[in-house]
Amino acid sequence: AQSVAQPEDQVNVAEGNPLTVKCTYSVSGNPYLFWYVQYPNRGLQFLLKYITGDNLVKGSYGFEAEFNKSQTSFHLKKPSALVSDSALYFCAGGDYGGSQGNLIFGKGTKLSVKP
Amino acid sequence: SQTIHQWPATLVQPVGSPLSLECTVEGTSNPNLYWYRQAAGRGLQLLFYSVGIGQISSEVPQNLSASRPQDRQFILSSKKLLLSDSGFYLCAWTKRWNRGIRSYNEQFFGPGTRLTVL
Repeated sequence: AQSVAQPEDQVNVAEGNPLTVKCTYSVSGNPYLFWYVQYPNRGLQFLLKYITGDNLVKGSYGFEAEFNKSQTSFHLKKPSALVSDSALYFCAGGDYGGSQGNLIFGKGTKLSVKP
Repeated sequence: SQTIHQWPATLVQPVGSPLSLECTVEGTSNPNLYWYRQAAGRGLQLLFYSVGIGQISSEVPQNLSASRPQDRQFILSSKKLLLSDSGFYLCAWTKRWNRGIRSYNEQFFGPGTRLTVL
């Protein structure tokens, strides 16, 4: 069965420090992966995606993620965290070239950036 | 461009009352549509999805039902609400990107409805 895992329920970072939100996947075939961000009482917003090509993907608000096939990971990173980055982050994935399967979501990681 | 709407934004309902949440998508045709529930700001629970008018797949058996009376309209309903139905309800649609023999799905979310059952 295909799955996406976010091993941390919460990540705490001081403002100005680098942040990492972890995501690992188990997808048959060729994976494609997304990161979404959700602010309180809002829908999920797209941050970035990996389909094919460069393993390092840059997205909105200074975020980037690196696709690592050997470690089956797609960690979200930012060099310098802002208090406004505090939100709930979701990793999602599927099989590029697979059938009409639904996107699989991780359980979410709450990022808290303290001033 | 495509947009997705949900209403109402917030709803407070007594236990045992009926429910109807509506979702509409503009700017696309024949989208796959989804209803998710999110409890206490945590993970997404897929409730229903639809690949076409009148076609509903239920992921979790429960007190809720869904209908798709029109191509771009998706409705979540209940005849009698329970306390446990409280939560944040999200509607989403999927755009399928085709690249040669391969393809992938990108999902777009509505603003959500906060439902409180008292």
